[in-house]
Amino acid sequence: DTEVTQTPKHLVMGMTNKKSLKCEQHMGHRAMYWYKQKAKKPPELMFVYSYEKLSINESVPSRFSPECPNSSLLNLHLHALQPEDSALYLCASSRDDPRLAYNEQFFGPGTRLTVL
Amino acid sequence: GENVEQHPSTLSVQEGDSAVIKCTYSDSASNYFPWYKQELGKRPQLIIDIRSNVGEKKDQRIAVTLNKTAKHFSLHITETQPEDSAVYFCAGQGAQKLVFGQGTRLTINP
Repeated sequence: DTEVTQTPKHLVMGMTNKKSLKCEQHMGHRAMYWYKQKAKKPPELMFVYSYEKLSINESVPSRFSPECPNSSLLNLHLHALQPEDSALYLCASSRDDPRLAYNEQFFGPGTRLTVL
Repeated sequence: GENVEQHPSTLSVQEGDSAVIKCTYSDSASNYFPWYKQELGKRPQLIIDIRSNVGEKKDQRIAVTLNKTAKHFSLHITETQPEDSAVYFCAGQGAQKLVFGQGTRLTINP
């Protein structure tokens, strides 16, 4: 399996709802990432997990809560979102091998989130 | 932190002609520079990358050059085809973070 998968593909939620986005990879990668992408903009890093520990939080509001239950799974829990949070949420993974000078990131297809 | 600038923001070329997209970066510690192609509604797909110990890399119609001294790198697409139409993002990576340029919307005119 050489893909990153994400569910759901589309999500519509109200500002009072609680929902979760899911990301999965079975490539043995030890780093996983959440990005937010608005229309006509580049992906913007939100969180990085390395070996199941949160290593980077790009000052993301607490209404976004990441979770890494194991090395293959990454969740993003959503609560009390605002309409401006509507975007494409991309997950990515990489080997995160300290022996390598670089670690190619593989992206999932994304979840298109609409907050009403 | 790293800052990546990308130009042009839009590029329109005739089918069969070449396209060049340029990026500059600010962090001399960045050591990896991937290029991603993103079609409408799809995920970013890595098309080519270059490491800081290499000056040029080619893969069929796509090539990337890197000038570490000037801190700039470029994507070259030759013999462009309609399926090359997409948004292209350059990126620079230091540590675990990929910082993307603002993107170039490339349109290939038949």
